Amino acid sequence: NAGVTQTPKFRVLKTGQSMTLLCAQDMNHEYMYWYRQDPGMGLRLIHYSVGEGTTAKGEVPDGYNVSRLKKQNFLLGLESAAPSQTSVYFCASSYSYQPVAKNIQYFGAGTRLSVL
Amino acid sequence: GESVGLHLPTLSVQEGDNSIINCAYSNSASDYFIWYKQESGKGPQFIIDIRSNMDKRQGQRVTVLLNKTVKHLSLQIAATQPGDSAVYFCAENLGNQGGKLIFGQGTELSVKP
Repeated sequence: NAGVTQTPKFRVLKTGQSMTLLCAQDMNHEYMYWYRQDPGMGLRLIHYSVGEGTTAKGEVPDGYNVSRLKKQNFLLGLESAAPSQTSVYFCASSYSYQPVAKNIQYFGAGTRLSVL
Repeated sequence: GESVGLHLPTLSVQEGDNSIINCAYSNSASDYFIWYKQESGKGPQFIIDIRSNMDKRQGQRVTVLLNKTVKHLSLQIAATQPGDSAVYFCAENLGNQGGKLIFGQGTELSVKP
């Protein structure tokens, strides 16, 4: 059981280049999330999705786009990378947001991105 | 505002001692709280959770305490082991904002053998 898988694990980009980060989950979760983690800071939500075909903005959405064409996949795109987007990116998924069912988010191993 | 913060950014304990990691939250509407453990180079891993209608929950070697009066959350680790060395995050779920979690800054726990 793989859980949440992120690809690639590492990437170096030049300013202005574009790329897509892929997140795949095999737990049949409805909710998926993209976070970034910077030194000395907690996880900040970029975008999230409450189901196939839906996306919504999080706390720091600028410079990123997302798509959820299939329930198991959530893609994060950087159209024109900037040095400020150097970070570690984590994808997560959860079954439900309802407190009764518990919103335990399960995380992938992360993607380390450097923008030069 | 909506914020979750930790009192201590680093904590160093001796192997075998008990550890206490604290967290303050500011939103009274938060109805669910989670503690995560993040080891170096890995993603956060779920440890234990607690709903707002509870004040204590125990797991294996871990206990979470919730004090809603002062908006304070703590994680207690009994008989701390070297494998417990990691960064620990608390997260709060705002009941009226779907599945979004707000994470604290994190506390780094270092266990001395």
